[in-house]
Amino acid sequence: KAGVTQTPRYLIKTRGQQVTLSCSPISGHRSVSWYQQTPGQGLQFLFEYFSETQRNKGNFPGRFSGRQFSNSRSEMNVSTLELGDSALYLCASSLRTGGDSPLHFGNGTRLTVT
Amino acid sequence: EDQVTQSPEALRLQEGESSSLNCSYTVSGLRGLFWYRQDPGKGPEFLFTLYSAGEEKEKERLKATLTKKESFLHITAPKPEDSATYLCAPGRVGNFNKFYFGSGTKLNVKP
Repeated sequence: KAGVTQTPRYLIKTRGQQVTLSCSPISGHRSVSWYQQTPGQGLQFLFEYFSETQRNKGNFPGRFSGRQFSNSRSEMNVSTLELGDSALYLCASSLRTGGDSPLHFGNGTRLTVT
Repeated sequence: EDQVTQSPEALRLQEGESSSLNCSYTVSGLRGLFWYRQDPGKGPEFLFTLYSAGEEKEKERLKATLTKKESFLHITAPKPEDSATYLCAPGRVGNFNKFYFGSGTKLNVKP
């Protein structure tokens, strides 16, 4: 069974630009969550989608947005990039929404903002 | 306020030297306690789920246990390939379902 696939693996962007990250979940998983990981803050929850609906959102500014398609694939967009947005962005899929089903993570997209 | 604390932040062991990692939590509406392993440059890999106090799960040299306020990850006779960051994540269900990830324990096992 294929795991969670995230593309691209690496991105270098300039401050003020925008970026779109893509995530393909494990087949059959309808929940997709996004996390930001930095050395200082650890894993921070961005948002979760289930059946194309955003179910939960973390404490991030509106520059961070996402969506989920009918095939459960998800994209995350960050507009007006800031230096502090440099991080590893992780996507995770699970069978059920919420906090009672294990998350299965991709290997992330490493975003560097210069 | 919901929070998760993992200790120690870093742990250096000699190969074969057993030890334990701690995860203390205060989470309302707890559904389960999840442990993950993360290698550098990769996403976290799911290890265990514990749902009730007293429950134990084992996988090779790892054993996870759960009480009402803490979870322990016991590592018996570790090998260098066990070196990784171990994350715990209480999962909450209710009006706001989510996982609370701890900051992790970075384990280094030297041969």
